[in-house]
Amino acid sequence: SQLAEENPWALSVHEGESVTVNCSYKTSITALQWYRQKSGEGPAQLILIRSNEREKRNGRLRATLDTSSQSSSLSITATRCEDTAVYFCATVNGGYKVVFGSGTRLLVSP
Amino acid sequence: GALVYQYPRRTICKSGTSMRMECQAVGFQATSVAWYRQSPQKTFELIALSTVNSAIKYEQNFTQEKFPISHPNLSFSSMTVLNAYLEDRGLYLCGARWGPNTEVFFGKGTRLTVV
Repeated sequence: SQLAEENPWALSVHEGESVTVNCSYKTSITALQWYRQKSGEGPAQLILIRSNEREKRNGRLRATLDTSSQSSSLSITATRCEDTAVYFCATVNGGYKVVFGSGTRLLVSP
Repeated sequence: GALVYQYPRRTICKSGTSMRMECQAVGFQATSVAWYRQSPQKTFELIALSTVNSAIKYEQNFTQEKFPISHPNLSFSSMTVLNAYLEDRGLYLCGARWGPNTEVFFGKGTRLTVV
């Protein structure tokens, strides 16, 4: 079974709306990363949040981390069509290994 | 800035043949390089992790005999898919980082089609 899992599997919103993707994980972590993968490209890191942090922001993006419930969320405000992508959470446990979830497919339409 | 170039971007090989893909880190020292496969409709499966001064560690279901990896210096890594078959098709990604718990920079991937 997946060590990290995003939900929902897919989301569809209109431009300008806000959206939140959730992630649950099953291992202890030292950091959690959120990635975005656009069609035909490799994943690009959006936010890295360490286990001693509760929230991190990057422009229109906000990630939260709750190590007690082993969950994280990524919120995007004022979505744009170019935010259409698959969003992955990935866990890091004290080293170099990164384990990805199965992704949430986000469609932002005009 | 830090970038990872991966090539070729796409390749088509005949069933039973082998193909090699390469990964170049620019702007930082890639002390660790991980190779992943993203099969159709699936997430990223970690194939192996190569860290400087450590043996290359393969994940379950992946072997050195099938996916030999080279990481000869802090800017380059290559992986070969030997005897490729249909189940090996997908997007192969290399991710490089300079230290533990730091950002991983990914290449754009090598898409392997097996015919």
